[in-house]
Amino acid sequence: DAGITQSPRYKITETGRQVTLMCHQTWSHSYMFWYRQDLGHGLRLIYYSAAADITDKGEVPDGYVVSRSKTENFPLTLESATRSQTSVYFCASASGRGSTFQETQYFGPGTRLLVL
Amino acid sequence: KNEVEQSPQNLTAQEGEFITINCSYSVGISALHWLQQHPGGGIVSLFMLSSGKKKHGRLIATINIQEKHSSLHITASHPRDSAVYICAVRSGQGAQKLVFGQGTRLTINP
Repeated sequence: DAGITQSPRYKITETGRQVTLMCHQTWSHSYMFWYRQDLGHGLRLIYYSAAADITDKGEVPDGYVVSRSKTENFPLTLESATRSQTSVYFCASASGRGSTFQETQYFGPGTRLLVL
Repeated sequence: KNEVEQSPQNLTAQEGEFITINCSYSVGISALHWLQQHPGGGIVSLFMLSSGKKKHGRLIATINIQEKHSSLHITASHPRDSAVYICAVRSGQGAQKLVFGQGTRLTINP
């Protein structure tokens, strides 16, 4: 399917477990982003990637790991899940020119994660 | 104080009313985005502005760079416009990150 997809859409896990959220886009966009959305905080950037093998921290990176070996995939791993990581996670992508991303970010449908 | 402030936080109106949602920011920006989040959770980008005004259908977005303020207007509002509207700013040339407001929840009653 064309566009940007996330999997799983819903996940329940336990404290201390490792969880990986997947993001896949078919546009060959160079930029990809991971956000979390919590009541009272709005959307906050966790990590972003400007290209394959190039990643950088956002506003709330602690407890998360990312990788980007292929342009189309940008997985987000919670190494040891905590209750505070219960949230809705959105992946987004954007085309790039030079060192910046261009205009519109396209968002995936989101993953609802519950950490018990 | 948040870098991006939206008002109102919640807005309920009747179908057909003219709607205005405001966004103020405290940093220099290179672009401002308006996003729409549907009740099901999906997020769609509506506008990207760096100056002036943009229009798409019944939606109009304006920005005043000097006053660090943007407005999103909806004319002839309809229940399907019910959603959360989010303002986000990109601070400075070359900035890789968007900073988001907390959103305005709009409910349009028939």
